[in-house]
Amino acid sequence: GDSVTQMEGPVTLSEEAFLTINCTYTATGYPSLFWYVQYPGEGLQLLLKATKADDKGSNKGFEATYRKETTSFHLEKGSVQVSDSAVYFCALNNFGNEKLTFGTGTRLTIIP
Amino acid sequence: DADVTQTPRNRITKTGKRIMLECSQTKGHDRMYWYRQDPGLGLQLIYYSFDVKDINKGEISDGYSVSRQAQAKFSLSLESAIPNQTALYFCATSDSGVSSYNEQFFGPGTRLTVL
Repeated sequence: GDSVTQMEGPVTLSEEAFLTINCTYTATGYPSLFWYVQYPGEGLQLLLKATKADDKGSNKGFEATYRKETTSFHLEKGSVQVSDSAVYFCALNNFGNEKLTFGTGTRLTIIP
Repeated sequence: DADVTQTPRNRITKTGKRIMLECSQTKGHDRMYWYRQDPGLGLQLIYYSFDVKDINKGEISDGYSVSRQAQAKFSLSLESAIPNQTALYFCATSDSGVSSYNEQFFGPGTRLTVL
């Protein structure tokens, strides 16, 4: 079945550091890939998505590129801020399987 | 106004009690989902519904039931709550259109504690 593996946390970085959160997936066919973010006390919000190979999703300074050859969708940001502290979830949706498959989440803390 | 709302936001109850969590949406989506979040386990799908007459079990449906009262409302019931059902519960919606890629929109969550 489909699965998503995320970099285990927690991750702690200083403000303005470079961020990478790794995500790899296992799926048949051509899934769509997502990054969701959960701020403290809130529900999940879509951060970015990519629907086909080599697509780059971007939002709020975050980027992720759909790499089919390495089955990866790593999340990156060049300069993180304290307000980026949250839990980040990688997820996939495989066409014909109408459910999202989530990774376990990575807690990110940014210190001033 | 929030597009996906959940009530209550917090609930403490005792073992054996019946509990209902409610979800409403104003997005006009036909699909609705209930998830459970436990620390370190990500989100697990409990039940999902593709329209009012279509209810499906997810990964962890035992001990739970659902009702889709209308397109906009999807409730989750715990018939006899037990402590290991203590968790954060999320409702989500999505549109069935192909161009949506099943992007899901989440409610704020209900924190349930079973003593």
